[in-house]
Amino acid sequence: DIQMTQSPASLSASLGETVTIECRASEDIYNGLAWYQQKPGKSPQLLIYNANSLHTGVPSRFSGSGSGTQYSLKINSLQSEDVASYFCQQYYDYPWTFGGGTKLELK
Amino acid sequence: EVQLQESGPGLVKPSQSLSLTCSVTGYSITSNYWGWIRKFPGNKMEWMGYISYSGSTSYNPSLKSRISITRDTSKNQFFLQLNSVTTEDTATYYCARYISTVPYYFDYWGQGVMVTVSS
Repeated sequence: DIQMTQSPASLSASLGETVTIECRASEDIYNGLAWYQQKPGKSPQLLIYNANSLHTGVPSRFSGSGSGTQYSLKINSLQSEDVASYFCQQYYDYPWTFGGGTKLELK
Repeated sequence: EVQLQESGPGLVKPSQSLSLTCSVTGYSITSNYWGWIRKFPGNKMEWMGYISYSGSTSYNPSLKSRISITRDTSKNQFFLQLNSVTTEDTATYYCARYISTVPYYFDYWGQGVMVTVSS
């Protein structure tokens, strides 16, 4: 199975700050990566697919980048509603696997 | 609007079977792929398997022969059965819709149902 190592596990940032979360795959996943946001008590929401494509309705302050084994999710100008957990998922190879998640809090 | 809702017992005894239902509204399960994912205490997530628009299935090899995903198209529901559960199957279970006719990533998820395996 492809292992997805996500960092950091937790993150504290201020409003307006730029935040970056990373996922490293154990092998090349050829941009087969999605990012999700999950707010407390809510279901996960798709943010990014194909490593850098913004899902419909997702604010443009969210962006994804990367290639090969290294991928990142960037949140520009952090808003209070961005407080959530974020996780990545690779879908290049079965079985699909997930990163361990990042809990984002306000400083 | 597409909505998914998991239901099932919150407590299952070890060695018994875990059975969950995912009820879908706003979209037919005879389109797209539909999956089950679980999140363990400590936040590790595991893809369990899917059922396709045609009824074909695929499972995570880690679950070997313990898992079965079926559906009832007349009720627009699909189901998860996990046999011979242990305490390690304690998790929050989610059902989700794959975004299109390929089973890559998910655009709609249920709220999740917490299942505890304990005697």
